[in-house]
Amino acid sequence: SAVISQKPSRDICQRGTSLTIQCQVDSQVTMMFWYRQQPGQSLTLIATANQGSEATYESGFVIDKFPISRPNLTFSTLTVSNMSPEDSSIYLCSVVPLAANTGELFFGEGSRLTVL
Amino acid sequence: GQQVMQIPQYQHVQEGEDFTTYCNSSTTLSNIQWYKQRPGGHPVFLIQLVKSGEVKKQKRLTFQFGEAKKNSSLHITATQTTDVGTYFCAGYGGDDKIIFGKGTRLHILP
Repeated sequence: SAVISQKPSRDICQRGTSLTIQCQVDSQVTMMFWYRQQPGQSLTLIATANQGSEATYESGFVIDKFPISRPNLTFSTLTVSNMSPEDSSIYLCSVVPLAANTGELFFGEGSRLTVL
Repeated sequence: GQQVMQIPQYQHVQEGEDFTTYCNSSTTLSNIQWYKQRPGGHPVFLIQLVKSGEVKKQKRLTFQFGEAKKNSSLHITATQTTDVGTYFCAGYGGDDKIIFGKGTRLHILP
């Protein structure tokens, strides 16, 4: 299994500002992903965080808006840039542990972002 | 791109009744996973199915993977209040990305 610490757990931000969300895992992982989940909705994959290289973004998400870093096997950050109310959502870090047999995803507690 | 459809979107059942949610993919899946998300919580892995026609059971939960590996179902027998939450299927399309269905929100009536 993996224990994921995600910070902040929630924040209220002003339009036009940026917020960086951190994801720290207690063990090495192969894959790290960032998902967005709007209230009552499903999980939408934003990007795959690649260690030491640029993240791989899904359709509809771009690096300028959601820059991602992954400096090592256990840590990643997602920045939500130039925020607007439409960015209000829960952002979830998820990982596939190195020792996982099934490729299951472990999720952080999420970061609930409200943009005013 | 790959899509994973899930029905129904909502389900209200009396405690003790059975519940089923269905998942369909537009493409063949290498495997399918199921997750449960309690209200206010984060998704938690339940199970993974890999083989065509595979059936797995976890106590009152029965998971099936279709013969063509494009559909799956989760059946809960005799629901309990602890079963409340949203159940997501998630498909592994073979490119290391997991795509989630929209989920089925289960509400239990006492």
